[in-house]
Amino acid sequence: DTAVSQTPKYLVTQMGNDKSIKCEQNLGHDTMYWYKQDSKKFLKIMFSYNNKELIINETVPNRFSPKSPDKAHLNLHINSLELGDSAVYFCASSQGSGASYNSPLHFGNGTRLTVT
Amino acid sequence: SQKIEQNSEALNIQEGKTATLTCNYTNYSPAYLQWYRQDPGRGPVFLLLIRENEKEKRKERLKVTFDTTLKQSLFHITASQPADSATYLCALDYTGGFKTIFGAGTRLFVKA
Repeated sequence: DTAVSQTPKYLVTQMGNDKSIKCEQNLGHDTMYWYKQDSKKFLKIMFSYNNKELIINETVPNRFSPKSPDKAHLNLHINSLELGDSAVYFCASSQGSGASYNSPLHFGNGTRLTVT
Repeated sequence: SQKIEQNSEALNIQEGKTATLTCNYTNYSPAYLQWYRQDPGRGPVFLLLIRENEKEKRKERLKVTFDTTLKQSLFHITASQPADSATYLCALDYTGGFKTIFGAGTRLFVKA
């Protein structure tokens, strides 16, 4: 009964390919996020969605296209993969804006993407 | 833009001692601040949240302080154990919501 689950856990692919990462949460939260953690372990927000609507796009290249078919899912599609896209991608969810007292983030265990 | 600084060097302490981690922030006046723990190969896990009008918050062996004048939070683990070894992340929420920003984290090693 994993709260936030991501698939796949590992993704190895070549430059130029297109790949997708899936995320599902069973917490009943209405806000979902994608974060990128680079080799220096710095965790940086990419997108946030509230009730399936894009709220934050943190100047991410348009090769990255998130899609939220419903409140429980937020998938990330990446086109024309580049070496610099290699990182660990984390999905997270929260209830509300994340700015409310009782709404910390719940993270998945990440997808390690390696672009060769 | 908002900036969060945590001691990037690893902290090594002996079991039983108190670990103290520091989080400083600039260009921001957050309503609250959060601390997360991250283990290798896992996502961050929420530990504690402290509001701007709270000076101190405790949970079991954990204690967080929040000084809005100094723009600093301290995170303490008392009676530390080897199982406390992990990376600890400080986080703030953007005023408009929907965006939590993280510090780079401090790696803690507790030796038996």
